Amino acid sequence: GESVGLHLPTLSVQEGDNSIINCAYSNSASDYFIWYKQESGKGPQFIIDIRSNMDKRQGQRVTVLLNKTVKHLSLQIAATQPGDSAVYFCAEIPPGSYQLTFGKGTKLSVIP
Amino acid sequence: KAGVTQTPRYLIKTRGQQVTLSCSPISGHRSVSWYQQTPGQGLQFLFEYFSETQRNKGNFPGRFSGRQFSNSRSEMNVSTLELGDSALYLCASSPGQTYGYTFGSGTRLTVV
Repeated sequence: GESVGLHLPTLSVQEGDNSIINCAYSNSASDYFIWYKQESGKGPQFIIDIRSNMDKRQGQRVTVLLNKTVKHLSLQIAATQPGDSAVYFCAEIPPGSYQLTFGKGTKLSVIP
Repeated sequence: KAGVTQTPRYLIKTRGQQVTLSCSPISGHRSVSWYQQTPGQGLQFLFEYFSETQRNKGNFPGRFSGRQFSNSRSEMNVSTLELGDSALYLCASSPGQTYGYTFGSGTRLTVV
């Protein structure tokens, strides 16, 4: 399987285009989901979150979509910029848990 | 306000030694979680503390332990280090509910 920093799924986009990063989560009981961005040498940085009673949430240039039927999350980044280049992780939390379970990550490369 | 502070940033240890890592959460945050990040396994949950009590523990051997102090600062300890313990150790703090997790920049541990 994929691994952080090595053999990660990679998405290359042209600067100014929209990016869509996908994530399959594992626990159908999870009710809270978060997208994180991790740049080289840094810890994960919060981007946006969504609760299971929603199917869409928008932030500044980002939108998260949740499809509980197929246990799928997506992160859409509008007008992608070079500063968006990073590894993106989705994370889930089941009810009553304080443990984030992370996906494997996707490396986004923005071509200037 | 200040973010999550992890010290030290880098460590090199020899097999068989033990190590203690420190995490200072965001002021007012009472929950501290620890994660291990490796290229092979990605981000994996170690344990979570709230008000000095461990609420969740991941699937790691007993060599990995932690504690939280009354000021919410947390330490994790790894005894009898193995080469496979080389990783980025990340700490996250939150107010205590299942939201608002903010990560530090991590401690890069190398075991030789």
